[in-house]
Amino acid sequence: SQQGEEDPQALSIQEGENATMNCSYKTSINNLQWYRQNSGRGLVHLILIRSNEREKHSGRLRVTLDTSKKSSSLLITASRAADTASYFCATDFSYNFNKFYFGSGTKLNVKP
Amino acid sequence: GAVVSQHPSRVICKSGTSVKIECRSLDFQATTMFWYRQFPKQSLMLMATSNEGSKATYEQGVEKDKFLINHASLTLSTLTVTSAHPEDSSFYICSALRVDEQYFGPGTRLTVT
Repeated sequence: SQQGEEDPQALSIQEGENATMNCSYKTSINNLQWYRQNSGRGLVHLILIRSNEREKHSGRLRVTLDTSKKSSSLLITASRAADTASYFCATDFSYNFNKFYFGSGTKLNVKP
Repeated sequence: GAVVSQHPSRVICKSGTSVKIECRSLDFQATTMFWYRQFPKQSLMLMATSNEGSKATYEQGVEKDKFLINHASLTLSTLTVTSAHPEDSSFYICSALRVDEQYFGPGTRLTVT
């Protein structure tokens, strides 16, 4: 399968805590993107990180990329109940430019 | 900018019938669009790449005769699920490529009875 793996599969935290999700992939990438999906809804783009970047920030989001380990992490700081959703990474492989393969996803539950 | 719409948002059809789903890029032209399928509590699976003016390319294991894709213009791609069966019930999501970013539609929930 070309899909990446994410862990944990599910994460439950209290409001105000930080949430960290990890994504691993198998082959060289051009870009890696993180998306959020509320139950039964479409995708919301969160952040794009390119293969030559190591870290990016956007508001309460911090994404890191380690190409040597073929992994990325998404950190959500000071979580809110509204952050409850599924989070997916999507990779754009070097040999297949612009085609996205999604990870298995992490289901985050932020308890108020 | 970069809005993608899908129509319909929900559709229920009887087994054996065909269903057409439209994906439109509303404020940009897209020579490339993608179709994904998502089963409940699972991730998105890339089904095919839709190319304006040429045949779609399908991922391994996706039946091209069952999932017909037509990219008739720079703003419209359609996915037709032919002879639908209950196992085709799923959430279908399209995306449109602008430069190197994909913009996703809101999805279409297909239920085959």
